[in-house]
Amino acid sequence: AQSVAQPEDQVNVAEGNPLTVKCTYSVSGNPYLFWYVQYPNRGLQFLLKYITGDNLVKGSYGFEAEFNKSQTSFHLKKPSALVSDSALYFCAVSPDTGRRALTFGSGTRLQVQP
Amino acid sequence: EAGVAQSPRYKIIEKRQSVAFWCNPISGHATLYWYQQILGQGPKLLIQFQNNGVVDDSQLPKDRFSAERLKGVDSTLKIQPAKLEDSAVYLCASSLAAGPTYEQYFGPGTRLTVT
Repeated sequence: AQSVAQPEDQVNVAEGNPLTVKCTYSVSGNPYLFWYVQYPNRGLQFLLKYITGDNLVKGSYGFEAEFNKSQTSFHLKKPSALVSDSALYFCAVSPDTGRRALTFGSGTRLQVQP
Repeated sequence: EAGVAQSPRYKIIEKRQSVAFWCNPISGHATLYWYQQILGQGPKLLIQFQNNGVVDDSQLPKDRFSAERLKGVDSTLKIQPAKLEDSAVYLCASSLAAGPTYEQYFGPGTRLTVT
């Protein structure tokens, strides 16, 4: 069975500074990896995904994530944080074979201070 | 394009009562998902439909939860009878087709409180 760990419940960063939200995963076979963002009273919004190819994936709103197979990680990054980036971020994984449903992590709340 | 619609947005019921949630996916999306998101946790898949057929319901508590997508478009999720631990946000999502290469689009969710 697959699993996702987001070790930080909350990440605090000052506006303009780089941010990193950590994610590690466990899955049989090759992983498909995703990041979603959730704003208050709104549904999850897709940010980016890794399927295959380049380990550095670029997504919406200036976010990017780096796939590291040896460390089984898929950390979300942004070079310069905005106050409007403050939200709840979820990492998710799916195997490339068999039951391909998404398994989500528990989420990390990002707080960007002005 | 219009997003995934869900209703109601909020529902409060007493334990042992029944409740139903409705979802209308994005037009043309063949795959529909229902997730349960308990406070402080990530969404957990309850059931996945491909058109009007069930693809995966392995995590659906079938003694009290049921779902249908009769015409392959909108869907209803029912809980009968509800328990306190069913308090959660119920999210509906849809995608063009099945499989993780297809992006899932989420609705705003229905927040259920069972008292």
